[in-house]
Formats: sequence, C-alpha cells, structure tokens
Amino acid sequence: TQLLEQSPQFLSIQEGENLTVYCNSSSVFSSLQWYRQEPGEGPVLLVTVVTGGEVKKLKRLTFQFGDARKDSSLHITAAQPGDTGLYLCAGGDQTGANNLFFGTGTRLTVIP
Amino acid sequence: DVKVTQSSRYLVKRTGEKVFLECVQDMDHENMFWYRQDPGLGLRLIYFSYDVKMKEKGDIPEGYSVSREKKERFSLILESASTNQTSMYLCASSLSGRGNTIYFGEGSWLTVV
Repeated sequence: TQLLEQSPQFLSIQEGENLTVYCNSSSVFSSLQWYRQEPGEGPVLLVTVVTGGEVKKLKRLTFQFGDARKDSSLHITAAQPGDTGLYLCAGGDQTGANNLFFGTGTRLTVIP
Repeated sequence: DVKVTQSSRYLVKRTGEKVFLECVQDMDHENMFWYRQDPGLGLRLIYFSYDVKMKEKGDIPEGYSVSREKKERFSLILESASTNQTSMYLCASSLSGRGNTIYFGEGSWLTVV
C-alpha cells in the first residue's frame, strides 16, 4: 500500500481567507488527482496532474504536483462557503494498474 | 453523464447476516472498484475488477468477496457481517488505462448491529 498523508486533517476558516492543503508521500505516483466530497455523496474529481512540477488552476483553486511526483498541494484563494467539504488526494499506481491510493482527507469548513 | 448507481443507500444488518451491495454503471467502463471509507482512514480499496469475471484483491479484502458476471454490474458480498464492517461503502468505475477519471456512486451506509 502506498500511503498518502494529508494535512491538516481539519480546517475551519472565515469566508474570504486563503488556505493550502498538503498531500505527502514517500512513494512516487504516475498521477495525482484531487477530489471533493460533500456529505452524503461520493467524491467528485476536481483535477488530475501528471507531470512533476505541473501547476493547474481551476478558478480560485490552484493545484501543484511536486517535482518528484511524491507530493501535491491544493491552494484555495478567497474561500467561499460553497468550498466546504472533504478534500481527498489520490495517487495513481506506478505499476500501471488502474488503482488509486487515497489520502486521509482534509475536512474544510468555510464560515460565512 | 456517467452514472454509477448503488442500490442501497442505507442498510442495517445483524451480525452474521450475509449482505449484498450492488453497483451498476452505465458508461461501459472496464474497471470497477469497491472502497470503504472510515473517518481518519480515507478510502481503502477492498476489491477491483478490470473485466467481466476478473477480480483483484485490494488493500483490505478480508471478510469480503465480489462478483462481476456482467460488465455493468459489480457486487460486494459480506459472507458473515461483523460490527467492524460498519462503514460507508463506495463503488466506482473507470475506463481502462492510466490516469482515467474514477467516477463514484453516492455510497452505501452499512450498519452492522
């Protein structure tokens, strides 16, 4: 099993603040995906990054894949209550299998 | 839109009962997965299947079995449910190949009493 540690585990911030969530591992991944999960629903894909050092922006969300493809970060600018949810990172299996290894999750609450 | 449908959203079963969780996807995906999700542990893979009648153990297969008789359907079976199997179960599917998006169902909340 390839472990992915996310930090922080819980984050509660005021609307308008910025935040960064980290996803770290000692393993190398073929790709890194970020999902958001709302209560009572399954995770929904936000982004996939595949190249070491890659940065992708999705409106107020910025995703970065580490140069060594072992870690990733998610930065949210000017957080809004609609950003509230569980954020999960997931690393693609280097062996070529289609499996993903999921992180432990970061539960974000944005207070209006 | 891709649709992954889990037949039961909420179940309460007794210890020792046999439990079936059904999952159907409508996008002709080759891969299907069963995960369980527990607080602080993230999603852990129980079993996955990359083709009809094919299955591979994930990280925590003990106490579970699976069945994939048709491409669109992947069933998770708890032969004799135990209280430590109380959890949220998520089914997912994807096309074959690296880096493809995995689409999740809404989840099945199982409580074993």
